[in-house]
Amino acid sequence: QKEVEQDPGPLSVPEGAIVSLNCTYSNSAFQYFMWYRQYSRKGPELLMYTYSSGNKEDGRFTAQVDKSSKYISLFIRDSQPSDSATYLCAMSAGYNTDKLIFGTGTRLQVFP
Amino acid sequence: DAGVIQSPRHEVTEMGQEVTLRCKPISGHDYLFWYRQTMMRGLELLIYFNNNVPIDDSGMPEDRFSAKMPNASFSTLKIQPSEPRDSAVYFCASRKSGQGGTGELFFGEGSRLTVL
Repeated sequence: QKEVEQDPGPLSVPEGAIVSLNCTYSNSAFQYFMWYRQYSRKGPELLMYTYSSGNKEDGRFTAQVDKSSKYISLFIRDSQPSDSATYLCAMSAGYNTDKLIFGTGTRLQVFP
Repeated sequence: DAGVIQSPRHEVTEMGQEVTLRCKPISGHDYLFWYRQTMMRGLELLIYFNNNVPIDDSGMPEDRFSAKMPNASFSTLKIQPSEPRDSAVYFCASRKSGQGGTGELFFGEGSRLTVL
């Protein structure tokens, strides 16, 4: 079993929809949780990060962590065609931990 | 400020040939990471350096893979001999010290390798 599991999709939604992207993990030591966005033929870029449990909001994006269930989510409100990309969750065990463990990514397509 | 620069962007080679991928990290970043991305396995960490010193190479799949960082502005990942199963996109990423937890890795655009 992988340390981090993520549904590869693809997920196809109409413009304006609310999108929910999710990851589960098995290592209870993970404390830092990130979401990266990767456009086609590009490298991943950090979108959001959260520490421990709780929610964090940034514009149309909300990151949610439930450590008790080992489950993290990224919500996108009012989705736009420009949000079409692959979204990768990533996590690490500590602030000075050098290794990030990535999910395989979920491909999202937002159609007009 | 220039981002992480990788070359070549695309490489097509035949099985058994040597492949060298190159990376220039962002100036001032003292960590450098090499990742491999495939559809099946996602992003896998191969090796990373701190201040030009290899810290963890446990992700390097086989002895056919080697990586060097002769100075703070240059790193190479070499595959010799290459095999078709090495076909993937190889990413280089860098970051500054003290950013481990925030995960702010800066990735290059990747080198897409196809081994025939």
